[in-house]
Amino acid sequence: NAGVTQTPKFQVLKTGQSMTLQCAQDMNHNSMYWYRQDPGMGLRLIYYSASEGTTDKGEVPNGYNVSRLNKREFSLRLESAAPSQTSVYFCASSDPVNIQYFGAGTRLSVL
Amino acid sequence: RKEVEQDPGPFNVPEGATVAFNCTYSNSASQSFFWYRQDCRKEPKLLMSVYSSGNEDGRFTAQLNRASQYISLLIRDSKLSDSATYLCVVTLTDSWGKLQFGAGTQVVVTP
Repeated sequence: NAGVTQTPKFQVLKTGQSMTLQCAQDMNHNSMYWYRQDPGMGLRLIYYSASEGTTDKGEVPNGYNVSRLNKREFSLRLESAAPSQTSVYFCASSDPVNIQYFGAGTRLSVL
Repeated sequence: RKEVEQDPGPFNVPEGATVAFNCTYSNSASQSFFWYRQDCRKEPKLLMSVYSSGNEDGRFTAQLNRASQYISLLIRDSKLSDSATYLCVVTLTDSWGKLQFGAGTQVVVTP
């Protein structure tokens, strides 16, 4: 009964370092999403994937790349981390009636 | 102007009291509406969908006012465990599952 699993839960990076956030869901959902959440801003969509093999930019895609590896997995990559990317990142998947299920989040600090 | 706007609060509510708050949305053709609950440092979770005729789920009542473009959430007989941030979520007409999130309304229930 895992739902959406994200790793890692916490990460500290130096400016310029790269990393990949992993996300997997076991609910057989087609759609998956990456969001960032900053104080007072609400959740903002970074990238989404309507189905395996497709990805599209969301509201704030700059500085990120994604890979929909298969139906279960959707990863987010920061190629060269910047302090402005300090945030809480949530992965989600959605069922056919648009209800979204979120992972527990990754708290990222970029120094 | 934000697509979805909420009063950030906090709404300080005595235990047992009723609290209500609204969320306004800017896209008049928005189709689906939800309330999510987010506990401190946790992921958002669906509280309830909002239907055109209004709906209740126990102590929670959600209403939709399309003419004035807002949705509301009312919590009766507040419990300490209702303390959380409540996120208003709207789907856009051109989306198959992309949601627009409000920044949230914080509710603090006090003994």
